[in-house]
Amino acid sequence: DAGVTQSPTHLIKTRGQQVTLRCSPKSGHDTVSWYQQALGQGPQFIFQYYEEEERQRGNFPDRFSGHQFPNYSSELNVNALLLGDSALYLCASSLARDAYEQYFGPGTRLTVT
Amino acid sequence: SQQGEEDPQALSIQEGENATMNCSYKTSINNLQWYRQNSGRGLVHLILIRSNEREKHSGRLRVTLDTSKKSSSLLITASRAADTASYFCATNGYGKLTFGQGTILTVHP
Repeated sequence: DAGVTQSPTHLIKTRGQQVTLRCSPKSGHDTVSWYQQALGQGPQFIFQYYEEEERQRGNFPDRFSGHQFPNYSSELNVNALLLGDSALYLCASSLARDAYEQYFGPGTRLTVT
Repeated sequence: SQQGEEDPQALSIQEGENATMNCSYKTSINNLQWYRQNSGRGLVHLILIRSNEREKHSGRLRVTLDTSKKSSSLLITASRAADTASYFCATNGYGKLTFGQGTILTVHP
């Protein structure tokens, strides 16, 4: 049973560029949440997708957008990258009916130069 | 802003000793969870305690919850070098997890 997978593992981008990160949820899960973790900090909630719609959103600007596909996989897009966007981006999946149990992927390390 | 705040920020112990980490939070909760993170990678879910529970055990882990003080503690007994990691508490708001800044635990062999 595959767990949550994320790609790529590492990514280096330049300020002003755009980036797309990908997540495949654990088998059987239908809800995907994205978190940003800056160095030395706890993860911060970006948004959550269920039934291909954004259900909840944290305190992040519109430069951060996402998408969920019919197979429940998800993408996180960040436009006009800033140096401060450098972080570990974590994807978590869960069942909508049991959102308390969230399973995290290994993360994508994004470096903006 | 962070909901949970862990204390201490860093903890260094010898193998075999017990490690205690504390977490405080600000608002009412349905449940509180503890996660472990190794070397800046993905988080591993350790244990969940519901607001109507006061104590929960899982293997070498013991979690307590005091809703009147809005605080929780995680005790790891008989620690091992492999327990070296960052530990986070998180409160859950309808599927949105709010994390504290974490406690860095180092267990020396």
